[in-house]
This record gives sequence, structure tokens and C-alpha cells, in this order.
Amino acid sequence: AQSVTQLGSHVSVSEGALVLLRCNYSSSVPPYLFWYVQYPNQGLQLLLKYTSAATLVKGINGFEAEFKKSETSFHLTKPSAHMSDAAEYFCAVSGDSNYQLIWGAGTKLIIKP
Amino acid sequence: GAGVSQSPSNKVTEKGKDVELRCDPISGHTALYWYRQSLGQGLEFLIYFQGNSAPDKSGLPSDRFSAERTGGSVSTLTIQRTQQEDSAVYLCASSLDLGGTQYFGPGTRLLVL
Repeated sequence: AQSVTQLGSHVSVSEGALVLLRCNYSSSVPPYLFWYVQYPNQGLQLLLKYTSAATLVKGINGFEAEFKKSETSFHLTKPSAHMSDAAEYFCAVSGDSNYQLIWGAGTKLIIKP
Repeated sequence: GAGVSQSPSNKVTEKGKDVELRCDPISGHTALYWYRQSLGQGLEFLIYFQGNSAPDKSGLPSDRFSAERTGGSVSTLTIQRTQQEDSAVYLCASSLDLGGTQYFGPGTRLLVL
């Protein structure tokens, strides 16, 4: 069965610093992997997705993630944090059926001025 | 066009009452999904609909939960005899077709007293 682990329920970085949000998955089949962002009082928005093409995936708002099969990881990064990046970030993997998303518990990103 | 919409945005009910939550998917999207987001946890898949096919109800937590989708568009999630543990944010998503990128609504925040 698929599962997703996000390390750190809260991550705090200074404005301008590197953002690194960790996601590890387990999957018995080649996975599709996703990062979604949820801003306060808003719905989930897709940041980026991996669908077995390029292992480095670029998303919106300067975020990118790298699929590393050997590490079963799909960490999300951004070179320079902005105050507007403060939100909760969710990693998800597609289930066996390829449509049922299995979600991590989420990581709340806090940006310090 | 408009995104996924959900109503009501907030619902407070008493234990034992029935509630109905509504989801309007993006026009033209054939797949519709319901998830539950409990405090401090990731999303939990509940049910999905694809076109006129029978829905996949494998994620529904109990027989108090049911959902229908009329005319391949609007969906209603019904919770009968609500319990306090049903308190959560209920999210709806739609995709162009099954397995496509899921676009989420803002959610309905349900509080059972």
C-alpha cells in the first residue's frame, strides 16, 4: 500500500533563505507524486506534479521538487523564501488506482522577517 | 471559468443531526472526489465519481456517510446522525477525467457539538 511521510509538521525559515520541505513515499508501483499548497482560509492549489517524465519538476511560485527513486523522496525546495510563501504544504502520491491520492500530514511553513 | 465551489463554507450542527454538503465541480470535469481533512492530519479519501459509472465508496468511514452526484455535475455528501468525530473540513475536488490533475474547492468546515 502507498503511504506518504512528511518530516516536520512545522518548518520555519527566514525571508530570503532556502526552503526545503521533505517528503518520502512508499509505493509498489511507479508513482505519480504531487505537492499542493493551502493558504490560510483557501482551498488546496497544485504546486507541481511528477508523472515519470523529468525527475526535476518545476512548479509555480519558484518551487521545484526532485524525484529520487533510490531515496523514495520528493522533497520540495525554493531558493529564496518570500513572506507570501507562508502556508501549509501537502505531499501526495497516487494510489494503485492512479486517481486516489494518498496524502502526507502536511508541513506548515513559517517565514520569519 | 469558475473553480470548484462548495457550500456551506461553515456548518455547525448538533450531535445526531443529519447534514448535507454540496459541491459544484468545474464545468466539463467528469471526475469528482470527496476528501476529509481532520485537524492536524492530511487528507483522507472518501469517495469518487467518474461520469456515469458507479462511485468508488471504499473510503467512506461508515454507513452514516453517503454521496450522490446528479446529472454528472453537482454532488452532495450526506452525513447521517452526526458524531463529534465527524468534525473536520470536507474538501471536494474535480478533474477533467479520472487520474487528471485534481482541482480543489475551499472546503466546508463542519463542527459537530
